[in-house]
Amino acid sequence: GAGVSQSPRYKVAKRGQDVALRCDPISGHVSLFWYQQALGQGPEFLTYFQNEAQLDKSGLPSDRFFAERPEGSVSTLKIQRTQQEDSAVYLCASRTGQGDRYSNQPQHFGDGTRLSIL
Amino acid sequence: QKEVEQNSGPLSVPEGAIASLNCTYSDRVSQSFFWYRQYSGKSPELIMSIYSNGDKEDGRFTAQLNKASQYVSLLIRDSQPSDSATYLCAVNDNQGGKLIFGQGTELSVKP
Repeated sequence: GAGVSQSPRYKVAKRGQDVALRCDPISGHVSLFWYQQALGQGPEFLTYFQNEAQLDKSGLPSDRFFAERPEGSVSTLKIQRTQQEDSAVYLCASRTGQGDRYSNQPQHFGDGTRLSIL
Repeated sequence: QKEVEQNSGPLSVPEGAIASLNCTYSDRVSQSFFWYRQYSGKSPELIMSIYSNGDKEDGRFTAQLNKASQYVSLLIRDSQPSDSATYLCAVNDNQGGKLIFGQGTELSVKP
């Protein structure tokens, strides 16, 4: 597609429910990133995929957060037993190329999913 | 200590003026620096990337990088009300390429 696509745009869930957020990166982009953006703050890194391999998940705040990209394209971020502090905008970004020599290439962001936990 | 620091603002400038946005970072080995613009409720949009010391100009935007001082800035000439947004400074972490963002500076351009 022309850009990074995320769905749903908005998600409201009750505390304790599980949610799944979807990201469809730019076609051909092998690197995919998830970020969490709290109100009034910059995005914070959650996890990174290169193709289907999850190379860095150091930013995931707890074991309730899980991400996958089984075929190296679409990715899903799942949050189990949601808590109110999970309320934020979840941004997905993709980048061309793989490996260190592409690490300085810019990332292109989707419009995000705004998650509200009641 | 935060790794990327920006003044949160708001920074208010009159239409037609130069807006100057500043950012400092803590990791001396950082090699890649980006400025993103984010309108309220929208995704970050890449404005400029800069990798070498000095200035890089693109239209009304100029990015400046000083690695010795660990400082990167964005100048917006002839500011327009449509430039009103939050500007995010981001630094590549050199390990896989995740971005480390500052908290953003809110810019308001008054007609």
